[in-house]
Amino acid sequence: GAGVSQSPRYKVAKRGQDVALRCDPISGHVSLFWYQQALGQGPEFLTYFQNEAQLDKSGLPSDRFFAERPEGSVSTLKIQRTQQEDSAVYLCASSPGGRSPLHFGNGTRLTVT
Amino acid sequence: DAKTTQPTSMDCAEGRAANLPCNHSTISGNEYVYWYRQIHSQGPQYIIHGLKNNETNEMASLIITEDRKSSTLILPHAMLRDTAVYYCIALTGTASKLTFGTGTRLQVTL
Repeated sequence: GAGVSQSPRYKVAKRGQDVALRCDPISGHVSLFWYQQALGQGPEFLTYFQNEAQLDKSGLPSDRFFAERPEGSVSTLKIQRTQQEDSAVYLCASSPGGRSPLHFGNGTRLTVT
Repeated sequence: DAKTTQPTSMDCAEGRAANLPCNHSTISGNEYVYWYRQIHSQGPQYIIHGLKNNETNEMASLIITEDRKSSTLILPHAMLRDTAVYYCIALTGTASKLTFGTGTRLQVTL
């Protein structure tokens, strides 16, 4: 596709369940980012990859959050033992690198009940 | 990265110019000013960025004051579809780790 694709679009999980959110970046984009957006707030940085290397994971809120990008393309954000406070929209963005603007997907809305 | 300050919300009549201000009084010499917007239920969309010169593209114009302590994003003829939250971000180095803040909610009305 032409843009960043995220799946699923919506996810409902019971508290304590594990979830996996997928991001397909624009082909050839070196940089990949995950953001978390709570209702009414701006997106907040979670983690950053350059190719398959996770260069910055300073925004991950706890060790229940884990992200990977094993082949430098598709990325997965995994949340273990979900809690209600994890309810948010999770946004993925990619870019060619350098000062290039970020291209965002439309996010996955996670609701933990 | 420098902190930016934006009004919480603004209204603009359709067809009029929308002027969205942003203060970044602590911006350093190597920090760029980026603007993104987020339409409801979509991911943020890049609009424009600049360092010290005014910039224009097909979406908007960016006016940066000479002292670089503030800037204005101009949508010359706002349309209903421009209703969104607009984020002004000061960023150094590579375009990574954007810090969004809460932005300005622009409502374009008939």
